[in-house]
Amino acid sequence: SQTIHQWPATLVQPVGSPLSLECTVEGTSNPNLYWYRQAAGRGLQLLFYSVGIGQISSEVPQNLSASRPQDRQFILSSKKLLLSDSGFYLCAWSLPRAVISGANVLTFGAGSRLTVL
Amino acid sequence: LAKTTQPISMDSYEGQEVNITCSHNNIATNDYITWYQQFPSQGPRFIIQGYKTKVTNEVASLFIPADRKSSTLSLPRVSLSDTAVYYCLVGGPNTGGFKTIFGAGTRLFVKA
Repeated sequence: SQTIHQWPATLVQPVGSPLSLECTVEGTSNPNLYWYRQAAGRGLQLLFYSVGIGQISSEVPQNLSASRPQDRQFILSSKKLLLSDSGFYLCAWSLPRAVISGANVLTFGAGSRLTVL
Repeated sequence: LAKTTQPISMDSYEGQEVNITCSHNNIATNDYITWYQQFPSQGPRFIIQGYKTKVTNEVASLFIPADRKSSTLSLPRVSLSDTAVYYCLVGGPNTGGFKTIFGAGTRLFVKA
């Protein structure tokens, strides 16, 4: 069966410091991978999604970036955090197009709560 | 991607059936309707997906009329633990591909 791992679970960082959140998926090949952010009391904001290695779509132009160094690894980074980067970051995966019937169904990780002070 | 409209919030009592309706007037021919549930400090969890008529699983039922311009998620005999945000998404392989956008959802509050 497929599993998704996301870490760290909790992070407290000062303004201006770098960020690295990591997500890995096991038990599947060529998954679609996603990063979302949810600010306190707000909805889910799609940040990045990737349908394959080297294919990353950015939905929100800001000081965050994403990379997919391996098929099942997705990393969210920042060189200098802002206060507004605080939030709950969620990684998700879904099956590739060739496998699905119906519409895309996402499975989410446990999330990483980031507090920028 | 088809735009969806659903109530911002709903209240219910334990043991009642809850129906949450989602409007999606510009649904495309190949689009499916998918519902997720999200508890606080957790990621959304897939509940049910359907294309037309009725789909039922161990958690919920999804009713889709013939014109498919709306859908209703039905939760039978809710309990306090069903308090969550419920999201309705519409899409398919030919519309938006794998770009998956969540709206504001419906915040369901179940009271004792």
